[in-house]
Amino acid sequence: AQKVTQAQTEISVVEKEDVTLDCVYETRDTTYYLFWYKQPPSGELVFLIRRNSFDEQNEISGRYSWNFQKSTSSFNFTITASQVVDSAVYFCALSVFSQGGSEKLVFGKGTKLTVNP
Amino acid sequence: DTGVSQDPRHKITKRGQNVTFRCDPISEHNRLYWYRQTLGQGPEFLTYFQNEAQLEKSRLLSDRFSAERPKGSFSTLEIQRTEQGDSAMYLCASSLVILAGGSNTGELFFGEGSRLTVL
Repeated sequence: AQKVTQAQTEISVVEKEDVTLDCVYETRDTTYYLFWYKQPPSGELVFLIRRNSFDEQNEISGRYSWNFQKSTSSFNFTITASQVVDSAVYFCALSVFSQGGSEKLVFGKGTKLTVNP
Repeated sequence: DTGVSQDPRHKITKRGQNVTFRCDPISEHNRLYWYRQTLGQGPEFLTYFQNEAQLEKSRLLSDRFSAERPKGSFSTLEIQRTEQGDSAMYLCASSLVILAGGSNTGELFFGEGSRLTVL
């Protein structure tokens, strides 16, 4: 069975601080995908990134960066110089390999990030 | 607006009534998914369609739940004899999956959800 744990329920930071959201996953499959989604107050989940299990390279996209470490089964997400607009609930998710790669996403419980001005 | 749209956005009903939610995916997307999200939890997979074929159903989808995608475009999710435990946000998502050797991003495009409250 697959499981995703986001131990941080809520995080509050002041604007311009860096913040890291933790994600730990469990799966027995050797091929899988990891995702991060953002859910702003409007409710619509927004895709941020997908990583496959064979690609452990860290990725940076603007102020966002992701650190994937298979050795610790972690896929952490860092926001640099946070902004008020980053306030949202962030979900880490896992799916096992299949065509398309995302038929059944298993989500963590999410981390609510509040960025205060 | 060319995103995923869901209707209604909010539904309040009494226990025992039937409700139906509709999802219109992005037009060229061949896959459509239903997820359920309760307060403070992440979304949970319910079912998905490849075109009009329902390929997988979660154990969460009891006999009171039925989903259809009759022409491979929009989908409906019906809940019969609603119970208070059915109160949740029902999320629809779609994606375009290229099955024949294509590269897929794995990105799901979600709608804003249909919030169900069962009194």
